[in-house]
Amino acid sequence: DAGVIQSPRHEVTEMGQEVTLRCKPISGHNSLFWYRQTMMRGLELLIYFNNNVPIDDSGMPEDRFSAKMPNASFSTLKIQPSEPRDSAVYFCASRAQGTAIPTDTQYFGPGTRLTVL
Amino acid sequence: KNQVEQSPQSLIILEGKNCTLQCNYTVSPFSNLRWYKQDTGRGPVSLTIMTFSENTKSNGRYTATLDADTKQSSLHITASQLSDSASYICVVSPLNNNDMRFGAGTRLTVKP
Repeated sequence: DAGVIQSPRHEVTEMGQEVTLRCKPISGHNSLFWYRQTMMRGLELLIYFNNNVPIDDSGMPEDRFSAKMPNASFSTLKIQPSEPRDSAVYFCASRAQGTAIPTDTQYFGPGTRLTVL
Repeated sequence: KNQVEQSPQSLIILEGKNCTLQCNYTVSPFSNLRWYKQDTGRGPVSLTIMTFSENTKSNGRYTATLDADTKQSSLHITASQLSDSASYICVVSPLNNNDMRFGAGTRLTVKP
């Protein structure tokens, strides 16, 4: 099992540029989560999908952020235009949501470290 | 104010010693409480999950306890190893809600 795959692992870009982060969830998992982690704010949930449908995007900081999940095996998080304050590690996680929610475990990818200059 | 508070913020112990990390939360009602371990440069990995009706859960040398009355949880690490050096994050999920509330984590360093 390859686990959750994220790409790129590192991204350095200049302010104003578009950034696209990619995630491949674990095969068979039907929930996908995007998180952002910074030293100041810790882990924050940005958005999550169930069966490819966005359920809650209240954590998305502003309109510059958008996420898509065109199929069960792929999701993207896009930032356009990027700003220095977007610099963080972005994690994708997936989960096989069963009927017993309390026992569900999220499996995290290795993260993408984004630096916006 | 964060609904999940962890203490201490950081901790240094010698290899072989035991330690206890604390998590206080105000999320109510809640569905479950999880402890994650996050190695430097990697994503969090689940250690334990407890529902509101459970008061202890073990995973090897890791034992989590939960007191739903006082809204406190602890993670006890026995006979620490150098590989235990990591951040430990407490996460509380509200009832009937897929949202999760994250603590800021405790940074544990185990020294030889």
